[in-house]
Amino acid sequence: DGGITQSPKYLFRKEGQNVTLSCEQNLNHDAMYWYRQDPGQGLRLIYYSQIVNDFQKGDIAEGYSVSREKKESFPLTVTSAQKNPTAFYLCASSTDSRESFFGPGTRLTVL
Amino acid sequence: AQSVTQLGSHVSVSEGALVLLRCNYSSSVPPYLFWYVQYPNQGLQLLLKYTTGATLVKGINGFEAEFKKSETSFHLTKPSAHMSDAAEYFCAVSGYPGGYQKVTFGTGTKLQVIP
Repeated sequence: DGGITQSPKYLFRKEGQNVTLSCEQNLNHDAMYWYRQDPGQGLRLIYYSQIVNDFQKGDIAEGYSVSREKKESFPLTVTSAQKNPTAFYLCASSTDSRESFFGPGTRLTVL
Repeated sequence: AQSVTQLGSHVSVSEGALVLLRCNYSSSVPPYLFWYVQYPNQGLQLLLKYTTGATLVKGINGFEAEFKKSETSFHLTKPSAHMSDAAEYFCAVSGYPGGYQKVTFGTGTKLQVIP
């Protein structure tokens, strides 16, 4: 079955640690996105990538980094510079029709 | 710039009643518009989309939305609410600001269905 996988489902991190969230898709989509979701704030765009080896900062990129070495993979690193990283993180990909396909999400909690 | 405004962060309806979730958009080019649904601790699923053509769009689970350019609106409706419709709903607009495909989401509306 085609889709997007995110791992892990739940992640706990101590303050000052970097952590990497995985996102893999087998939909053969060029565009991929990372969103952060907080209660009452909807989805806010962190980073997006249209093709391999190219990515753009979204609206809240500070404290985050990404890579796009393969079409299928778009990992997100939450660095210690991110002041309030506890949130639900969603990865998505899209086609030329602009419909977004979402993974199940990773809930990150900083202890 | 593109943006989406969803009126009402929480909406409550009785089972069997009409569901109306409001969405207004702003876009400098003809918009692609979407409604997504999210169940707790899950990703978003597409309900329906408007690209071009017919302004009344039908989606899954009996939902539909009407694109009204003059009102810059894309409200979501369902004639009769079911308990399983309780979820959070997001309106979204897609464009190419700066040459890159970008989707902007509203802040969401939580739908409560009262038995």
